Amino acid sequence: EVQLLESGGGLVQSGGSLRLSCAASGFIFRSYAMIWVRQAPGMGLEWVSAISGGGDITYYADSVKGRFTISRDNSKNTLYLQMNSLRAEDTATYYCARQDESVSWGQGTLVTVSS
Amino acid sequence: DIQMTQSPSTLSASVGDRVTITCRASQSIRSWLAWYQQKPGKAPKLLIYKASSLESGVPSRFSGSESGTEFTLTISSLQPDDFATYYCQHYNSYRWTFGQGTKVEIK
Repeated sequence: EVQLLESGGGLVQSGGSLRLSCAASGFIFRSYAMIWVRQAPGMGLEWVSAISGGGDITYYADSVKGRFTISRDNSKNTLYLQMNSLRAEDTATYYCARQDESVSWGQGTLVTVSS
Repeated sequence: DIQMTQSPSTLSASVGDRVTITCRASQSIRSWLAWYQQKPGKAPKLLIYKASSLESGVPSRFSGSESGTEFTLTISSLQPDDFATYYCQHYNSYRWTFGQGTKVEIK
């Protein structure tokens, strides 16, 4: 069974940094592209970033480019999102997801940026 | 980037009603479309993937279809547990985009 477990969320001041992790299990992690999606309170879903299975190709939404860095450690079956220069508008629940013919999601971790 | 236009934004319906939600892609996404149900405080729950494949464990009253770049989620007979917000999502590439969401409310 595919399992994705996010961690690392919390309260941080504007301008601060946070690193999210997503621990994966139940599948061959290195074989799959992985995605970060976020959802601000009361709002819709927003794609944030993606990384190929090997970690050599990355993509970012314009809203986070230059501030967020996606990475993965295939030896640890873990996906990361390093978030720097955080802004109030980055406040959201962050989900990691696996891209395949179907899509699997974690339960999310809440990031709150105080101004 | 591919844009997903979802309609309606709100839908009022009664238990037992047949409900249809539509999503239109701005270009071909070759069936790489998923539908989700989301309830407050919960993660999105996958209902349909590859436009028309029912996720394991999802009731058969949910179905998906496609015609070109137009995709439809149908709930054949709305149940009390189905009042929620629904999203479409394309995953034709690593750059996903989502529809704006449809809130299904009790009439």
